[in-house]
Amino acid sequence: RKEVEQDPGPFNVPEGATVAFNCTYSNSASQSFFWYRQDCRKEPKLLMSVYSSGNEDGRFTAQLNRASQYISLLIRDSKLSDSATYLCVVNPNTGNQFYFGTGTSLTVIP
Amino acid sequence: DTAVSQTPKYLVTQMGNDKSIKCEQNLGHDTMYWYKQDSKKFLKIMFSYNNKELIINETVPNRFSPKSPDKAHLNLHINSLELGDSAVYFCASSIQGWVETQYFGPGTRLLVL
Repeated sequence: RKEVEQDPGPFNVPEGATVAFNCTYSNSASQSFFWYRQDCRKEPKLLMSVYSSGNEDGRFTAQLNRASQYISLLIRDSKLSDSATYLCVVNPNTGNQFYFGTGTSLTVIP
Repeated sequence: DTAVSQTPKYLVTQMGNDKSIKCEQNLGHDTMYWYKQDSKKFLKIMFSYNNKELIINETVPNRFSPKSPDKAHLNLHINSLELGDSAVYFCASSIQGWVETQYFGPGTRLLVL
């Protein structure tokens, strides 16, 4: 089983829509969780860390469900500029290690 | 003012050649990483250094050898390049270790012919 699994999509949504991505992880001892965004032919950039209590940054909301071992990202009022690949990143708490999901592709359509 | 820089940005070379990719960060971070992103966009860690010391060495062929002359630099040397080495190689850094945000370089696109 992969350390981190994501639905690759693609998700094609109209502007203004709400879209949600899930990501599951296999190691129940994992402590750190992140969502990164990667634009085409660019490097990944941190979108937001995911905290146990859930956190929100503008139109973006991240949630952690430890019981079911998944994290989620909700994007409200999608903009064209949200089109990118969203990478789920988990640290399994076994040293300086990060596991990246394969990414979920989002295209926001005018 | 680039935070994490890599050179070269593009590298096209023949099978069997030896090549190096350089990475520098001016963020004062202690930890640096090399990742490989293949054609399926899967990003996989290769190496991690903390203060010039190797702390992660994933299962990569020993043709790949990282070198950290100081904590601001982490270079990657690849011997006897193979077709399957074609990928984008990203360098990244973080303040210290796994709890921190990673900052990525722009990537080096390697094509082996």
